[in-house]
Amino acid sequence: DAMVIQNPRYQVTQFGKPVTLSCSQTLNHNVMYWYQQKSSQAPKLLFHYYDKDFNNEADTPDNFQSRRPNTSFCFLDIRSPGLGDAAMYLCATSRVGTNEQFFGPGTRLTVL
Amino acid sequence: GEDVEQSLFLSVREGDSSVINCTYTDSSSTYLYWYKQEPGAGLQLLTYIFSNMDMKQDQRLTVLLNKKDKHLSLRIADTQTGDSAIYFCAVGWSNNDMRFGAGTRLTVKP
Repeated sequence: DAMVIQNPRYQVTQFGKPVTLSCSQTLNHNVMYWYQQKSSQAPKLLFHYYDKDFNNEADTPDNFQSRRPNTSFCFLDIRSPGLGDAAMYLCATSRVGTNEQFFGPGTRLTVL
Repeated sequence: GEDVEQSLFLSVREGDSSVINCTYTDSSSTYLYWYKQEPGAGLQLLTYIFSNMDMKQDQRLTVLLNKKDKHLSLRIADTQTGDSAIYFCAVGWSNNDMRFGAGTRLTVKP
């Protein structure tokens, strides 16, 4: 089945220790998104890729970076995680023109 | 920026209808969505409506859009315990941008 896969599902890191979250898709969609979702809050868009074009939201901290080496994969790098970065991180994909986003199951990040 | 507002909690009895409401501020939005999120899972698209439509029905789900009042609702008929989840309203534009509400936690009591 075509899908959006996120690895790992649970990630524990230490304060200040860099961490990378992974997303892959078999849908061949050209747009990929990263959202941060804190408890009882709306998912907040961090950035998205339209093909290889990177679009950063204005209020996304510099601590968050992303890479998209090919159509299928997209990575979220948190350079120096703080306690406030503990959240669920959701990856989503869409095809341009449809505006329907397909979400992965998320990675829950814990910062100790 | 766009504000999308939802009430945080709704509790209904099994078999009753559930109505989840949402208001938004940007009338230029093109699409309006309802997503469902179960514990520990990602968001699942339930249904969506184009901004030029008033209503959409899909089995037990009915979406109503009042564009004048910028009000969107999701009605779930014959609510089941498996419908217990968080329901997110989202507003989207043709540039693939999207904004979510904070979600309504629906609890279905047997």
